[in-house]
Amino acid sequence: SQELEQSPQSLIVQEGKNLTINCTSSKTLYGLYWYKQKYGEGLIFLMMLQKGGEEKSHEKITAKLDEKKQQSSLHITASQPSHAGIYLCGAVFYNNNDMRFGAGTRLTVKP
Amino acid sequence: SQTIHQWPATLVQPVGSPLSLECTVEGTSNPNLYWYRQAAGRGLQLLFYSVGIGQISSEVPQNLSASRPQDRQFILSSKKLLLSDSGFYLCAWMGYEQYFGPGTRLTVT
Repeated sequence: SQELEQSPQSLIVQEGKNLTINCTSSKTLYGLYWYKQKYGEGLIFLMMLQKGGEEKSHEKITAKLDEKKQQSSLHITASQPSHAGIYLCGAVFYNNNDMRFGAGTRLTVKP
Repeated sequence: SQTIHQWPATLVQPVGSPLSLECTVEGTSNPNLYWYRQAAGRGLQLLFYSVGIGQISSEVPQNLSASRPQDRQFILSSKKLLLSDSGFYLCAWMGYEQYFGPGTRLTVT
C-alpha cells in the first residue's frame, strides 16, 4: 500500500494562477520534505517541515504541515513557466531510517 | 560541502547482461545511503538503504542487489538485467534533507 498519497497526479495551469498540491500520509510523520524534479534530472530540495502546524515559504512557494503531522500542502502563488516540473513529497517516519515518496505531481504552466 | 556522484549518467544494456552502478559521497562520514528507482513519469521507489559498511536493507524482492564496500561508496548490481529494470536510478544520502545524485538513466533493450 502507498504510504504517501499525492494529489493531483498532474496539473495544468495558466501562467499567473495559483495552485495547490497535497500529500497525505497514512501514519504520523517525523519529517515531510518537498522536492522538485525536472524530468530526467536529480531532485532539488525545496522545504522540510517537522512541527505540527508549521509553515514555510520560499519565494512564491509555501508549504504547510497540519497539526496531526499527516498531511502537507504545497501552494504556488502566481505560477510561472519556471515552476513547471514534477513535485515530490517525501516523508521520514518514526523508527525508520529511510524516506518514502509520493508518486509525484506533474505540473505544467502554460504561458 | 557535501557532494554525491553517480556514474554512468546513461546506460543501455541488453536483457540478461550484468549491471553495476556506482555512487560515492564526499564531505560527510558514515552517511545513510539510499538507492531509488523512478519509472517514467512516476514517483521514487526505494530499493535499498544502508546505515553502514556491509549493512544493506532491501525494500522489494527483485533481481537487483546492493553493496557498501566502503563508508562512502554504494553500489547497485544485477547479474542478469530484465526489461522491467529500465528506469532512472537515483542515489541519495540523508542529512538534514535527503541529498540526491544526478541519476543514471538505464535502458534495457
